[in-house]
Amino acid sequence: QSALTQPRSVSGSPGQSVTISCTGTSSDVGAYKYISWLQQYPGKAPKLIIFDVTKRPSGVPARFSGSKSGNTASLTISGLQADDEADYYCCSFAGAYNVFGGGTKVTVL
Amino acid sequence: EVQLVESGGGLVQPGGSLRLSCAASGFTFSIFDMHWVRQGPGKGLEWVSGIGTAGDTYYPDSVKGRFTISREDAKNSFFLQMNSLRAGDTAVYYCARGRYCSGGACRYFDSWGQGILVTVSS
Repeated sequence: QSALTQPRSVSGSPGQSVTISCTGTSSDVGAYKYISWLQQYPGKAPKLIIFDVTKRPSGVPARFSGSKSGNTASLTISGLQADDEADYYCCSFAGAYNVFGGGTKVTVL
Repeated sequence: EVQLVESGGGLVQPGGSLRLSCAASGFTFSIFDMHWVRQGPGKGLEWVSGIGTAGDTYYPDSVKGRFTISREDAKNSFFLQMNSLRAGDTAVYYCARGRYCSGGACRYFDSWGQGILVTVSS
């Protein structure tokens, strides 16, 4: 039940795009189309922003998009805004449990 | 509006016990699987336990035999009894609602509580 691998941090200027990778194995990310992404501000509850690899819950801006290739999933934030500065976590269905990534801090320069 | 509110956290000595509660509102609690997820200091998220609508329970190896999850649908609440606590259990514990769950795993968690801090230290 090893954690998924995410970069510790990524950064970009307002208006730019950033992509966060989430690498797992053929037993989790590579095996299922059930990848989700969570956004978390310091001291706050995580918020679901992507589910089933590419779907967005109601109210989440289209600037947030997800994809997957093999054992790696990705979250792209387009048109970066100041309030996108937060921690982002990936999560994968893994058969008998869920496994999460270690988290990526997005900094808006 | 879906709301999940945790309570029961605090400071406990190694080897001690603590019981967390999660009060749910804004949805039909009895038809959803519910889970606990924790976040250690400076660490990522870790799934801790899950309970299905029929009361079936699921745990990772790291807490199996020490933690017990339960639910009380009449009170729209579920719980986490934590025994034999270790320093490594120190974390913020979140309750979360699972969607399309099979066994202990869910396609995603769509609602989360604010979290409650559990500190295991002498």
